[in-house]
Amino acid sequence: QVQLVESGGGVVQPGGSLTVSCAASGFTFRNNGMHWVRRAPGKGLEWMTFIQNDGSSTEYADSVKGRFTISRDNSRDTLYLQMNSLRLEDTAVYYCARGPGAISWTFDYWGQGTLVTVAS
Amino acid sequence: VMTQTPLSLSVTPGQPASISCRSSQSLLHGGGRTYLYWYLQRPGQSPQLLIYEVSNRFSGVPDRFSGSGSGTDFTLKISRVEAEDVGDYYCMQSLHLPTFGQGTKVEIK
Repeated sequence: QVQLVESGGGVVQPGGSLTVSCAASGFTFRNNGMHWVRRAPGKGLEWMTFIQNDGSSTEYADSVKGRFTISRDNSRDTLYLQMNSLRLEDTAVYYCARGPGAISWTFDYWGQGTLVTVAS
Repeated sequence: VMTQTPLSLSVTPGQPASISCRSSQSLLHGGGRTYLYWYLQRPGQSPQLLIYEVSNRFSGVPDRFSGSGSGTDFTLKISRVEAEDVGDYYCMQSLHLPTFGQGTKVEIK
């Protein structure tokens, strides 16, 4: 069965950096586009970023463009999110989510999430 | 912009429930598909896909859930609410970069 397991969350100071990962299993990772979606405390879901199955194309929400970088290693079945210049408002649970195809703008399976807390 | 109503809903088990979602622009793509989705996030769990492209139930979703609508106005209906349906419901458009509605919290009376 499809499994997505995030890791790497933690506490970081404003202006700091953090990289979270998502290990995929139960499907052919290189065939699917992948996304990161977050939910801040007391807020709703917010889509962050997408990467095409082969890594050739990415998209970002305006709120993170220029600060966050999505990448993937298809040889390791792993998705990454590098977060720089973190702000208090980036505090959230970060979910990786699978798109049903190579380029797909919905999410059919989600990980359990990893908590990122930006605090001084 | 995706606007959901109501923002909260308290339902007696066995009774129906309905959530509306309005988009600020049509979600109908030129190819004929409409990119409107519904997700449920149960307390303490990850979100899960319920409905894709307006009215198609995702694998394993009970048939008490149904989606309808077109253009800019969409509805998620639960024919008979059960205790496990508690959570936050979100509509989402992906005609453009994905955006979610504010969410509707469903509780059991």
